[in-house]
Amino acid sequence: QKEVEQDPGPLSVPEGAIVSLNCTYSNSAFQYFMWYRQYSRKGPELLMYTYSSGNKEDGRFTAQVDKSSKYISLFIRDSQPSDSATYLCAMKPGGGNKLTFGTGTQLKVEL
Amino acid sequence: GAVVSQHPSRVICKSGTSVKIECRSLDFQATTMFWYRQFPKKSLMLMATSNEGSKATYEQGVEKDKFLINHASLTLSTLTVTSAHPEDSSFYICSASGQGYEKLFFGSGTQLSVL
Repeated sequence: QKEVEQDPGPLSVPEGAIVSLNCTYSNSAFQYFMWYRQYSRKGPELLMYTYSSGNKEDGRFTAQVDKSSKYISLFIRDSQPSDSATYLCAMKPGGGNKLTFGTGTQLKVEL
Repeated sequence: GAVVSQHPSRVICKSGTSVKIECRSLDFQATTMFWYRQFPKKSLMLMATSNEGSKATYEQGVEKDKFLINHASLTLSTLTVTSAHPEDSSFYICSASGQGYEKLFFGSGTQLSVL
């Protein structure tokens, strides 16, 4: 079993839709949870950064962490074609900066 | 967020040659840098962790003599792919974190193609 599971997609939605992206994990030591957006042949860009359980909102993006279920989500409201990219979840324990990544979900927002 | 610059963005080389990739933190001191490799439509695979002034720590299965990492200053780390072969062709990405930084910032990646 992988430490972090993420559906690779592809996920195709119409413009304006609400997108839900998810990851599950098995390591209860993970404390920090991140979502990165990666365009083709570019480095990942940090979108959301959360600590422990709870919700965090930033513009059209909302990150949720449920540590009891070992489940994290990223919601994108009013999705735009420019949101088309691969979304990677990542997480790490309390100490250090060594991240464990999901495989990434490829998202396509169509006009 | 902090800026990490990676250069070159793309390199094509002949088999047997060595290639150096640079990763610079532009607006903070990077005490730790990470090097990743990414295959098409796959996630990032951590290759090694480097701390400024000390030897890099390589992940299991990564050849340290093939992938030489140097982190000589707080703003620069380099990855040298020695005697490159076609199977080394991949997308290489660096990331950096600094003292007091919980977040990790990534470079823009280098596409290496070995002919």
